[in-house]
Parts: sequence; C-alpha cells; structure tokens
Amino acid sequence: EVQLVESGGGLVQPGRSLRLSCAASGFTFDDYAMHWVRQAPGKGLEWVSGISWNSGSIGYADSVKGRFTISRDNAKNSLYLQMNSLRAEDTALYYCAKDTVATIWGLFDYWGQGTLVTVSS
Amino acid sequence: DIQMTQSPSSLSASVGDRVTITCRASQSISSYLNWYQQKPGKAPKLLIYAASSLQSGVPSRFSGSGSGTDFTLTISSLQPEDFATYYCQQSYSTPSFTFGPGTKVDIK
Repeated sequence: EVQLVESGGGLVQPGRSLRLSCAASGFTFDDYAMHWVRQAPGKGLEWVSGISWNSGSIGYADSVKGRFTISRDNAKNSLYLQMNSLRAEDTALYYCAKDTVATIWGLFDYWGQGTLVTVSS
Repeated sequence: DIQMTQSPSSLSASVGDRVTITCRASQSISSYLNWYQQKPGKAPKLLIYAASSLQSGVPSRFSGSGSGTDFTLTISSLQPEDFATYYCQQSYSTPSFTFGPGTKVDIK
C-alpha cells in the first residue's frame, strides 16, 4: 500500500524558515517524480514544486521561486521542502504527492494527508 | 501561465441526478486534463486523467470528455459518497501545473 506521511509543519513567524518532510513507503520511491501541493484554509489547490526521480529536473511555482527548495533522498525514501522567507500567504496545508512516472509529468495519483504550516506573528 | 476556470462554482443535486461540471483552459492543453475529488478533511483523489481515462478503482459512473480548451466531468447517477469538491488540473505546461478553483457538489 502506498503511504505518504508529511511532517514538519507548525506555527512560524514571517521571514523565518521551516523544513517539511515526506516519508514514502509501499512503492519504489526512486522510480517516480514527487511534488508538493498546498491548500490555503478554505481555498483551492496550488501546485508548489516538483522533482524528478534523480533530482535532475526541478520546478517551482512563481509564488515560491527563490524562497523554497525541493529535494529528495532516495536512500531514505524521503522528499523535502525547505521554505525560507515565509510569508502570511504561505499559510496552508502542504501535501506530498506522487507522480505517475519518473519525470515531472504532473499527474498526482497518491497524496499524503498533509502538514499544516501557519505563518503568523 | 495557463489559467483554469470551472463552472459552476457550486451546485446542489439529489441522489440519482446526472451532474456535469465544466472546466476551461486559457489556451489549448490538448488532452492533458485531470480531475480530482476532495472530501472535507481529506486529501484529493485522482478520478480521471488524460481528459477521459478512468483511474483504477474509480466507479464507472464518473466520466470525462473534451480536448483543447473545454472539458467536462460527468457523474451519471450521483451517489451519497459523491458529495465533494471537484478540481480540474492541467498537466500540459510542465513544470507549471495549475488547478481550477473547484466545484462543490452538495445535497439538494
């Protein structure tokens, strides 16, 4: 069974940093691209970032480019999101999502339950 | 960036109704259109990919159609477990993927 478990969320002040993690199991992690998708409270879904199987291809939404860094450790079956210079508008539930192929294709077939990030003073 | 719109933003329907949700892209995305279902407090679930292909395990009452800029998701006979919010998403513009604003389906 595919499982994606996010962690690392919490309350953080504007301008500070936070690192999210996603632990994957139930599939061959290094066969697939992975993504972060967020959802602000009561709002819709926003793709944040994606990374190919070997980290050779990475993409970011314009809203986070230059502030967020996605990475993965295939030996640990883990995905990460380093979030710097956080803003109030980054407040959201952050989901880890699995792609269906090794490259960044953008089809999300499995999702975690999310970790909540709240940016507030 | 490719913008996605959905209509209606919400609808009320009864069990057994046929429900149609429309999604429109700001430019042609061929058939790179996916549909997700999200229930309150839960993660999204993939329903339809490549505009009309049913994801494994998804009931056949769900169907998708369209290409280019206009797409539809149809639920042929609404069931109690189908009350949820539905999102379309384009995967044409890689790696810049966008979702529609969502359509909430609730009980009439």
